[in-house]
Amino acid sequence: EAGVAQSPRYKIIEKRQSVAFWCNPISGHATLYWYQQILGQGPKLLIQFQNNGVVDDSQLPKDRFSAERLKGVDSTLKIQPAKLEDSAVYLCASSLGWRETEQFFGPGTRLTVL
Amino acid sequence: SQQGEEDPQALSIQEGENATMNCSYKTSINNLQWYRQNSGRGLVHLILIRSNEREKHSGRLRVTLDTSKKSSSLLITASRAADTASYFCATRTGANNLFFGTGTRLTVIP
Repeated sequence: EAGVAQSPRYKIIEKRQSVAFWCNPISGHATLYWYQQILGQGPKLLIQFQNNGVVDDSQLPKDRFSAERLKGVDSTLKIQPAKLEDSAVYLCASSLGWRETEQFFGPGTRLTVL
Repeated sequence: SQQGEEDPQALSIQEGENATMNCSYKTSINNLQWYRQNSGRGLVHLILIRSNEREKHSGRLRVTLDTSKKSSSLLITASRAADTASYFCATRTGANNLFFGTGTRLTVIP
């Protein structure tokens, strides 16, 4: 079974630039999550989708972050404009449903903002 | 914050020894999960214990949960060099999502 795919794996940008991350969840998984993991900390949920609808985006900095999952499969996370403190690993995860106990994580995208 | 706190922050042991790491959390939970993260395999689910369970085993892993103290422990027996990784506890409350702790960095010396 293919796992959660993410791209790019690494990205370096300058502050105030824009960046986008892509995620393809495990086939058949209705729930998709984006997490931010700052160096030395645990992952923090940014947004959760159930199919193509947003379930929880309470911790998403909406002034600069946006995410979509138009067809209920792939998802993109965008930052515009980026700040230095956005440097982190962005993890995508999926699960069969929001009640499912186990989340499957992708390899992450390491973002460096200079 | 519902985020858990792992203790210790870092642990270094010899191969073959047992490793114990602890997690404390602040609110009532439905379940508590442990994840492992290393550079090779990313973040991987290890084991889940529900709020009405006190102990659970999976291979070399043993997890305990004390809801009265809002704490959990993860024991890895007969450690191997491949167990070197960061270990996170994550709590789930009701319909909410996972809240991860700060992690314990385990180093197993061959």
